[in-house]
Amino acid sequence: QKEVEQNSGPLSVPEGAIASLNCTYSDRVSQSFFWYRQYSGKSPELIMSIYSNGDKEDGRFTAQLNKASQYVSLLIRDSQPSDSATYLCAVNFWNSGGSNYKLTFGKGTLLTVNP
Amino acid sequence: DAGITQSPRHKVTETGTPVTLRCHQTENHRYMYWYRQDPGHGLRLIHYSYGVKDTDKGEVSDGYSVSRSKTEDFLLTLESATSSQTSVYFCAISSAGGPYEQYFGPGTRLTVT
Repeated sequence: QKEVEQNSGPLSVPEGAIASLNCTYSDRVSQSFFWYRQYSGKSPELIMSIYSNGDKEDGRFTAQLNKASQYVSLLIRDSQPSDSATYLCAVNFWNSGGSNYKLTFGKGTLLTVNP
Repeated sequence: DAGITQSPRHKVTETGTPVTLRCHQTENHRYMYWYRQDPGHGLRLIHYSYGVKDTDKGEVSDGYSVSRSKTEDFLLTLESATSSQTSVYFCAISSAGGPYEQYFGPGTRLTVT
């Protein structure tokens, strides 16, 4: 069973701080990794994708991938109250039984940014 | 929502009745997916499609069927709704199979009484 684990939180940070969200996954062969943001009552919104080891930056967001440690993280700099949401980590696992990829989601981390 | 609509957005139905949810996309993407999201379980794949008339099961497919007669439409049918199928259902699309991004529709909240 391929798994994606996240701290459920809630994670609370003050406005302007760096929020750090973490995710571990169970399969060393995974090739692609995603972070989705989900506001309460809304659908998941893709905010970052990362395919290779290292850091990828997009505005205030930085995704970090370490395949050897099977670890992916999301940093949000200068956190704003509008960043308050649940953040879902998703990993594409190779499904050898079906000869296809399967996107598996963690249960999400609730982030609250306090003004 | 990446050119994806879902209908209905909310539905209340009774146990034992059939229900069909519709996903419509304007992106001409080949791959379409149905997920359900429940507290404590996260997002789980029900069925997916990799082309017109080409579908396959996900991890929670029991009690559900799908059909795709056109590239833009992917239907999810609950054959005989049960209370355990009360959930929020999301459709997602992807331009290609493999390890690529998926984009989600707005969701359908289904309540089975």
